Amino acid sequence: QKEVEQNSGPLSVPEGAIASLNCTYSDRGSQSFFWYRQYSGKSPELIMFIYSNGDKEDGRFTAQLNKASQYVSLLIRDSQPSDSATYLCAVKGGAQKLVFGQGTRLTINP
Amino acid sequence: EPEVTQTPSHQVTQMGQEVILRCVPISNHLYFYWYRQILGQKVEFLVSFYNNEISEKSEIFDDQFSVERPDGSNFTLKIRSTKLEDSAMYFCASSERKVQETQYFGPGTRLLVL
Repeated sequence: QKEVEQNSGPLSVPEGAIASLNCTYSDRGSQSFFWYRQYSGKSPELIMFIYSNGDKEDGRFTAQLNKASQYVSLLIRDSQPSDSATYLCAVKGGAQKLVFGQGTRLTINP
Repeated sequence: EPEVTQTPSHQVTQMGQEVILRCVPISNHLYFYWYRQILGQKVEFLVSFYNNEISEKSEIFDDQFSVERPDGSNFTLKIRSTKLEDSAMYFCASSERKVQETQYFGPGTRLLVL
């Protein structure tokens, strides 16, 4: 069974600080890694994807991938109250389906 | 910006009834998906569809489920005889290619089976 694990939180971060979200996956054949944001009652919204080991930056967001450790992370710099949401890690292997983690609920405190 | 659309946004049905959930994927996308999310749980893959046929399905996608692309724009999920445990948010998604391609999600249909 291919698993994606996330700390469900809640993770509470003061406004302006860095939020760090982590994800581990069990399938070593996984090729693509995605971070989605989901507001309560809404659909997943893509934030970033990463395919190669290392860091990938997009604005205030940085995704980090370490395939040897089977670990993906998302850093959010200068956190804003609007960043308060559940962050979903999703992993794709050679097949088409995304395997999602449980999600980490993030709260940014003004 | 192109987006995936879904109708209806909410559906209430009686157990045993048939429901059809509708989706319009992004126009140049070739791969289509259905996922569901039971309240408080993970987003779960149901089925993927390419070139007018199912390319992958999960064990959740049993004989009571079917998918169809009845025309050039719509993609539907039919649940033949709904059960209480089918109550969930159903998300349609689409992607342009298969490999290393992001999936864009529609707003979802909230299905409640009574």
